Amino acid sequence: AQSVTQPDIHITVSEGASLELRCNYSYGATPYLFWYVQSPGQGLQLLLKYFSGDTLVQGIKGFEAEFKRSQSSFNLRKPSVHWSDAAEYFCAVGISSNTGKLIFGQGTTLQVKP
Amino acid sequence: DAGVIQSPRHEVTEMGQEVTLRCKPISGHNSLFWYRQTMMRGLELLIYFNNNVPIDDSGMPEDRFSAKMPNASFSTLKIQPSEPRDSAVYFCASSLRTPNNSPLHFGNGTRLTVT
Repeated sequence: AQSVTQPDIHITVSEGASLELRCNYSYGATPYLFWYVQSPGQGLQLLLKYFSGDTLVQGIKGFEAEFKRSQSSFNLRKPSVHWSDAAEYFCAVGISSNTGKLIFGQGTTLQVKP
Repeated sequence: DAGVIQSPRHEVTEMGQEVTLRCKPISGHNSLFWYRQTMMRGLELLIYFNNNVPIDDSGMPEDRFSAKMPNASFSTLKIQPSEPRDSAVYFCASSLRTPNNSPLHFGNGTRLTVT
């Protein structure tokens, strides 16, 4: 069955430090991969997506993610974290080519220390 | 573009009452999704529609839950009768169905509390 695992439930980093949020997926075919961010009381906002092509994808707010098929991973990175990045981050896999149906990971809560 | 609009933002009701959640998708989007978010289970897909037709309702917890999409600009999720374990944040999302899996656009959710 398709699944998404985010191993880190909670991460704390200092402002200005680099960030990497881990995501592993289980899916037999070519995955469609997404990262979303959720601020308190808000819906989910798309950060970036991978469909095909270049395995390093750029997103909004300075985020990037790298698709590694051999590791079944799609980790999210940012070189320098800002206090406004504190939020919950969700990795998701699209399980069909054209339905838009997504399976989400459990989420990683990011706390940013001043 | 106003985005996906959900109402109400908050709903508090007593066990046994009927609850109706509403969603207006982004104009032009042809797929609509209802998700439920809880601390224990994370984000769960309840049901989704393509072109107003329910495609997969396997995530609907039980018969107390029902969803409709009478037209391309409106959908409802109804719980009757409601139970305390239904307390969660319910999200509606829409997308443009394409071969490349158009990303979902989420509303701000409805926080449901059943006492």
